[in-house]
Amino acid sequence: KQEVTQIPAALSVPEGENLVLNCSFTDSAIYNLQWFRQDPGKGLTSLLLIQSSQREQTSGRLNASLDKSSGRSTLYIAASQPGDSATYLCAAYNNNDMRFGAGTRLTVKP
Amino acid sequence: DAGVIQSPRHEVTEMGQEVTLRCKPISGHNSLFWYRQTMMRGLELLIYFNNNVPIDDSGMPEDRFSAKMPNASFSTLKIQPSEPRDSAVYFCASSLGTGHYEAFFGQGTRLTVV
Repeated sequence: KQEVTQIPAALSVPEGENLVLNCSFTDSAIYNLQWFRQDPGKGLTSLLLIQSSQREQTSGRLNASLDKSSGRSTLYIAASQPGDSATYLCAAYNNNDMRFGAGTRLTVKP
Repeated sequence: DAGVIQSPRHEVTEMGQEVTLRCKPISGHNSLFWYRQTMMRGLELLIYFNNNVPIDDSGMPEDRFSAKMPNASFSTLKIQPSEPRDSAVYFCASSLGTGHYEAFFGQGTRLTVV
């Protein structure tokens, strides 16, 4: 079954820094890869969805890339802000199965 | 649309009792997922429905767990009897269909079994 890994597990950066979160998956036969944000005690908020045929998606300060052949996706956050502090999760969708990584807990310090 | 709606938001029950969690997917969405989230195991897919039909329930941990989707606008996840190790946050998510569609999550039900 699909295994999804996210590194680093935690990241602390000063405000304004650009940063990259990594997601890797073992089965490249994915339909899509989705990035989510989760605030403490809250549900998951969808950030970006990349279809298997796409290389990247952008939304505001967020840019997600996908390299199916290497089994990797990255989430780039530009000019980070304290409000970006949250846990970021990636999910790889295969046939009838959406598997999550353990997440990266991001802290952006003012 | 109000998004995926789950109820209750919090549930505290005694070991051995039956627990029913409820989910209303986004109108028009044909796919529905139930997940469980714990610190130790992260997000685990329990069961997946497509067009109200359970497609994959291999993630359901034990026979104590059951899920139904009697119509396109309602699903339940039942635990009978409940045990302390079932304590977790249970999420429901829905999407327009399989594969190429964005999934949207509810706010979750925090279950505590004492």
